Amino acid sequence: NAGVMQNPRHLVRRRGQEARLRCSPMKGHSHVYWYRQLPEEGLKFMVYLQKENIIDESGMPKERFSAEFPKEGPSILRIQQVVRGDSAAYFCASSPRWEDYGYTFGSGTRLTVV
Amino acid sequence: EDQVTQSPEALRLQEGESSSLNCSYTVSGLRGLFWYRQDPGKGPEFLFTLYSAGEEKEKERLKATLTKKESFLHITAPKPEDSATYLCAVVPYSGGSNYKLTFGKGTLLTVNP
Repeated sequence: NAGVMQNPRHLVRRRGQEARLRCSPMKGHSHVYWYRQLPEEGLKFMVYLQKENIIDESGMPKERFSAEFPKEGPSILRIQQVVRGDSAAYFCASSPRWEDYGYTFGSGTRLTVV
Repeated sequence: EDQVTQSPEALRLQEGESSSLNCSYTVSGLRGLFWYRQDPGKGPEFLFTLYSAGEEKEKERLKATLTKKESFLHITAPKPEDSATYLCAVVPYSGGSNYKLTFGKGTLLTVNP
């Protein structure tokens, strides 16, 4: 079992470009959560998805950010027109059920906006 | 709003020197409290779940306890490989968002040989 796979591990984007972060959950896990870790901050919830459905995106900025978890393929977190403040580590977690809180986290994608 | 405060921010111990990390929380109703370990450049690794006051969980040199207002992570005779950031998180009972983990900022533990 390969665990939660995130790629790329590191991503550098210039201001105004788009960033696409990918997350493949553990086998058998249909619940995916994205968290963001800003420097000197704790992990913050962004969005909760199940296959083909966004359950809760209340932690995600309303502009420029979007997420999807298609029937086939990984979950994608997309950030359009990135700004310096988007620089952070983005973590994906998965679980087999929403109430199974021992989430398995991926190693994260570290986004740097220059 | 749910809040989690961890102390100290950083702790430096000598190998074998036992200590405790604190996690204070404010939540409307606690569904669960979670401890994670995070190594540099890695994602959080799940350690324990605690659901009710008085509950205790143990794993190797780590022991987590829970009261109505705080949780402690006791580290007995730590080794250098226990060095990491330890994160505490809570999930409330509130309807509609009882899957969101609210994290503290963590305690950076360094164990010197």
